[in-house]
Amino acid sequence: NAGVTQTPKFQVLKTGQSMTLQCAQDMNHNSMYWYRQDPGMGLRLIYYSASEGTTDKGEVPNGYNVSRLNKREFSLRLESAAPSQTSVYFCASSVGGVQAEKLFFGSGTQLSVL
Amino acid sequence: QKEVEQNSGPLSVPEGAIASLNCTYSDRVSQSFFWYRQYSGKSPELIMSIYSNGDKEDGRFTAQLNKASQYVSLLIRDSQPSDSATYLCAVNNGGNEKLTFGTGTRLTIIP
Repeated sequence: NAGVTQTPKFQVLKTGQSMTLQCAQDMNHNSMYWYRQDPGMGLRLIYYSASEGTTDKGEVPNGYNVSRLNKREFSLRLESAAPSQTSVYFCASSVGGVQAEKLFFGSGTQLSVL
Repeated sequence: QKEVEQNSGPLSVPEGAIASLNCTYSDRVSQSFFWYRQYSGKSPELIMSIYSNGDKEDGRFTAQLNKASQYVSLLIRDSQPSDSATYLCAVNNGGNEKLTFGTGTRLTIIP
């Protein structure tokens, strides 16, 4: 059972380049999330999807877009990368509803924007 | 003012002692409280959840909640070197499916 799988694990971009971070879960969870983690800032929510077909902004959505492709997959796109987007990105999923807080995280993507 | 505050540490505790980690939150309507553990270079994992005032014990871990004081803590008894990690406090205020995380406390257990 793979849990939450996100790719790639590492990525280096130049300013202005675009890329998509992929995330898939095999736990039949309803809710999926994208977080970024920066030193001294903790985990900050970028976007989340409470169910297939719905997405909502989190705390730091600017510069990002998301797609909930189906129940399993939730992708995060950087259209024009900026150095301020250098961070570690985590995808997470949860059953949803009253179980929404029990998050299961992917292994993370280390992104550097030069 | 941050919604969820933790002392960033580092907190150093001798092996076998009790480690005490603290967290305060600002939203009085918060209903659910969680502790996640994150090893260096790894992803967070849930270790404790607490929903009502008082203590909740799970093995060597005890979560304590005081809603009147807007305070939640995590005690780790008989601390082991394998407990060395960053501990993230997370709070949900109900009505949505979003957690707010603190910045984490880095704990080091000294052998």
